[in-house]
Amino acid sequence: AQSVAQPEDQVNVAEGNPLTVKCTYSVSGNPYLFWYVQYPNRGLQFLLKYITGDNLVKGSYGFEAEFNKSQTSFHLKKPSALVSDSALYFCAVRMGGYQKVTFGIGTKLQVIP
Amino acid sequence: NAGVTQTPKFQVLKTGQSMTLQCAQDMNHEYMSWYRQDPGMGLRLIHYSVGAGITDQGEVPNGYNVSRSTTEDFPLRLLSAAPSQTSVYFCASKERTGTGDNEQFFGPGTRLTVL
Repeated sequence: AQSVAQPEDQVNVAEGNPLTVKCTYSVSGNPYLFWYVQYPNRGLQFLLKYITGDNLVKGSYGFEAEFNKSQTSFHLKKPSALVSDSALYFCAVRMGGYQKVTFGIGTKLQVIP
Repeated sequence: NAGVTQTPKFQVLKTGQSMTLQCAQDMNHEYMSWYRQDPGMGLRLIHYSVGAGITDQGEVPNGYNVSRSTTEDFPLRLLSAAPSQTSVYFCASKERTGTGDNEQFFGPGTRLTVL
């Protein structure tokens, strides 16, 4: 079985400040982890992924995420938030050798000018 | 490349009606899937396919049928629409190659209302 939790429904951050969107996961094997972003009335767009290797993964639009195996977390971060980063962010997990991908419920990021 | 396309963009049905949501991709991706997005519930997998002729159930398959006769197309059929199927439906595809994993490409969605 696999599951993913996004504990915050919404995150508010001031423009220019660092942002973090939290994600924890549960899988019985090696996890494949993903972050996607959804802008209003659009489909999801891929941001970054962790498969193996370095725990710090860099992705699109200046976003990065840190894989922490001991805490089973994969938090999304950005050093300096932009108003245009305001969107809905989804964490997703897939167990190796298993085809289904499980998504979190999403976290709404609001960047305040 | 058009990527993943979905039709229609919007649809209103009456309870009991049937319809097919269309999904096509031009990237020669083997893996395709259907999700529904509901407030507070994120994306839930309805059905998926790992190649032409192969489909399997996701988390919430009841009331939906799929088939995969070609690599490009993966239609989702609602057999007898119910108000509980009011949702936004997304189709996605990805390559199924290599030793790692690949990200999914999503279509723009179909917003379905069942009265």
